Amino acid sequence: DAGVIQSPRHEVTEMGQEVTLRCKPISGHNSLFWYRQTMMRGLELLIYFNNNVPIDDSGMPEDRFSAKMPNASFSTLKIQPSEPRDSAVYFCASSLVKYTQYFGPGTRLTVL
Amino acid sequence: TQLLEQSPQFLSIQEGENLTVYCNSSSVFSSLQWYRQEPGEGPVLLVTVVTGGEVKKLKRLTFQFGDARKDSSLHITAAQPGDTGLYLCAGYPTNAGGTSYGKLTFGQGTILTVHP
Repeated sequence: DAGVIQSPRHEVTEMGQEVTLRCKPISGHNSLFWYRQTMMRGLELLIYFNNNVPIDDSGMPEDRFSAKMPNASFSTLKIQPSEPRDSAVYFCASSLVKYTQYFGPGTRLTVL
Repeated sequence: TQLLEQSPQFLSIQEGENLTVYCNSSSVFSSLQWYRQEPGEGPVLLVTVVTGGEVKKLKRLTFQFGDARKDSSLHITAAQPGDTGLYLCAGYPTNAGGTSYGKLTFGQGTILTVHP
């Protein structure tokens, strides 16, 4: 069975550009999570959706970040405009039951 | 300030040695989880402990949840190079009524390197 799919795996962009990260959750899962991982701050939850509805976006750093989940099989995380401090690995995870989240391979974002 | 404090941050040992990683908090958790993450991949759930005092074993890995549900430990017996990776603890904190709330909170992680 396919796990969580993220694209792209690597993204290098220049400061000020728009970045869109994509995620396809595991089929049948009803919750989707976006995380950011850095050496300084570890793994942080940015936002999560339940049944395609955003439930908690308190972890989104600022208005430059936005996330959507138009249907049960697709979600995007957009950064506009991007800044060097946004450089990190961004993970998407999905779950069916509360305690078990399955993570994707991540997108390594570098903002120059 | 981290809600979950892991120690040590780094651990470098020889194959065959035993090790213990700790995850501590001043808060009570409804459950605690342990994940392992390899370079270039996402974290993979190893175990969930939900009852105070619970001990779970997964081959050479032993996980324990503290009686007060504020701490957990991961013990690896006879470590192998394949155990190398980042180990993360995570949990949902509970309120005074014992109901879990908020989001899954992660510790900073322990980077384990096992040398052949």
